Amino acid sequence: DIQMTQSPSSLSASVGDRVIVTCRAGQSIYTYLNWYQQKPGKAPELLIYAASTLQNGVPSRFSGSGSGTNFTLTISSLQPEDFATYYCQQSYSSPPYTFGQGTKVKIK
Amino acid sequence: QVTLRESGPALVKPTQTLTLTCTFSGFSLTTSGMCVSWIRQPPGKALEWLARIKWDDDKHYSTSLKTRLTISKDTSKNQVVLTLTNMDPADTATYYCARMGHYYDSNGYRRYYFDYWGQGTLVTVSS
Repeated sequence: DIQMTQSPSSLSASVGDRVIVTCRAGQSIYTYLNWYQQKPGKAPELLIYAASTLQNGVPSRFSGSGSGTNFTLTISSLQPEDFATYYCQQSYSSPPYTFGQGTKVKIK
Repeated sequence: QVTLRESGPALVKPTQTLTLTCTFSGFSLTTSGMCVSWIRQPPGKALEWLARIKWDDDKHYSTSLKTRLTISKDTSKNQVVLTLTNMDPADTATYYCARMGHYYDSNGYRRYYFDYWGQGTLVTVSS
């Protein structure tokens, strides 16, 4: 199974900050990488697929980049509703569809 | 409008078999390319993919759990069923079903993502 490692595990940021979450794959997954946002007590929601394609309805302050083994999720200007946990997930070696361990974005 | 809803017992005893049902609407599992997966999340922990069933009845399972998992579908009822045998307290988690959307890569292969999720059902394993 392909291992997905996110960093940091958690971060504290203020409204308006630029936030970057990193995801590393255990082998090249080209651009077959998806990002999800999960708020407490809720199901995850798809933000980005194919490393950089925004899902319909997702605000443009979210963006994704990367290829091979290194990927980033960027929130250009953090909003109050963006405090959540973010997960990456690979769709290269599929199945199994492995997730990262999550990055919790907290209020500073 | 796509919706999914998980149902099943909230509490199971160790060694018992868990059976969960995902009832969905807004799409059909007879449509080419359509898939449904089960994913779980222990309290305070990360997401773990469990199993997937495709429109053509192709099935895949988590490497670590494949001896205990069975996934099946009933297209007439728009349902996907997951069974997990020999339950253990470590299996305590919220269990989600999710529809799998897809796009085509440069080689024409489908690449999947989880685009619609149920609200999840918490299953606790305790005697």
